[in-house]
Amino acid sequence: AQSVTQLDSQVPVFEEAPVELRCNYSSSVSVYLFWYVQYPNQGLQLLLKYLSGSTLVESINGFEAEFNKSQTSFHLRKPSVHISDTAEYFCAVRVKGNTPLVFGKGTRLSVIA
Amino acid sequence: DGGITQSPKYLFRKEGQNVTLSCEQNLNHDAMYWYRQDPGQGLRLIYYSQIVNDFQKGDIAEGYSVSREKKESFPLTVTSAQKNPTAFYLCASTTRTGARWSANYGYTFGSGTRLTVV
Repeated sequence: AQSVTQLDSQVPVFEEAPVELRCNYSSSVSVYLFWYVQYPNQGLQLLLKYLSGSTLVESINGFEAEFNKSQTSFHLRKPSVHISDTAEYFCAVRVKGNTPLVFGKGTRLSVIA
Repeated sequence: DGGITQSPKYLFRKEGQNVTLSCEQNLNHDAMYWYRQDPGQGLRLIYYSQIVNDFQKGDIAEGYSVSREKKESFPLTVTSAQKNPTAFYLCASTTRTGARWSANYGYTFGSGTRLTVV
């Protein structure tokens, strides 16, 4: 069975600084990888996803993630964060077929002015 | 606009009472899911359904029940057998391509129901 490990439960960072949220997965088969964002008391919104092809995927708001098969990682990065990026971020994995998404425990990103 | 509606947003119940959380979608999605979210524990799967009148247990199904009588509706009942029901509950849905599931679809989430049992 697949699993997801988010290595940091909380990440504080100053505004306009870069940030990396780490995600490692475990699976014996090929996977699809996702990053979701959750603002307080709301549901999750899809941020970006890796399906196949280029290992670097980007979102519309400046985040990017790189799939690294040898290290089984899918870290999320942003070169310059804003206050509005303060939220909880979840990494998730899904294998081919109809198995449900498996989520990590989340990383709370706090951007400090 | 299409989406998932969860109601109510906040729910208070006395210990020992059953309570039903509503989840309705107008996306024509085939599969629906219920997750429970607790601080520091991420999202844990309770039940899911890929077709009407059929559903499967997730990782933490004990103390919960579901039904899927209509494609657009997937209510969750938190029974008195659930030992620690206070949590944030999220409903999600996804679709498939023709007769085959495609794992490259992400999920669409509702805005959640916060259940507090006193």
